[in-house]
Amino acid sequence: DTAVSQTPKYLVTQMGNDKSIKCEQNLGHDTMYWYKQDSKKFLKIMFSYNNKELIINETVPNRFSPKSPDKAHLNLHINSLELGDSAVYFCASSQDTGETQYFGPGTRLLVL
Amino acid sequence: DAKTTQPTSMDCAEGRAANLPCNHSTISGNEYVYWYRQIHSQGPQYIIHGLKNNETNEMASLIITEDRKSSTLILPHATLRDTAVYYCIVRVVNYGQNFVFGPGTRLSVLP
Repeated sequence: DTAVSQTPKYLVTQMGNDKSIKCEQNLGHDTMYWYKQDSKKFLKIMFSYNNKELIINETVPNRFSPKSPDKAHLNLHINSLELGDSAVYFCASSQDTGETQYFGPGTRLLVL
Repeated sequence: DAKTTQPTSMDCAEGRAANLPCNHSTISGNEYVYWYRQIHSQGPQYIIHGLKNNETNEMASLIITEDRKSSTLILPHATLRDTAVYYCIVRVVNYGQNFVFGPGTRLSVLP
């Protein structure tokens, strides 16, 4: 009965590859998010998305693209992976934009 | 940039109350104070939030000063499982406002 789930938990891949991380929430929330936590442990918003609008953090490279097949899912697709993309990626959701956010367990990405 | 200042680390004895301070001297009238924590290798966990009144739930209490320039998160009976990084965040609850996480306070609960 996990509220926000992510797959995979760990992802190890080579530079230049394309990969996707999946996120699902069963809370009935309308808004979902992706955050990145780097090696210095700072947690930064990458995207927020609901049925109406995608808000992109301007510092996020366009190699990163969120894809939402339906309201309960927000997947993160990353093209041409780079060493600096190694981090923990967290998905979150909230009832609406501006409400309390609930986080998933994270996906640990290591680019070699 | 985070609008809050927290101590880098704190220790607390198991079973005692853990009092985590947060300064937010530039807080606006419509900004709420939120607390999250992140236990090692897990996602951030919502704890509590408030605007100006003190709040209490099953996890913690939040005490906000009258001028709203600072607050304290209280874990009444800390356990070893409360060892985590605690984040104090101020934000407006409206469209487009996201959580900005600072470095937080690393709380170590000691046996």
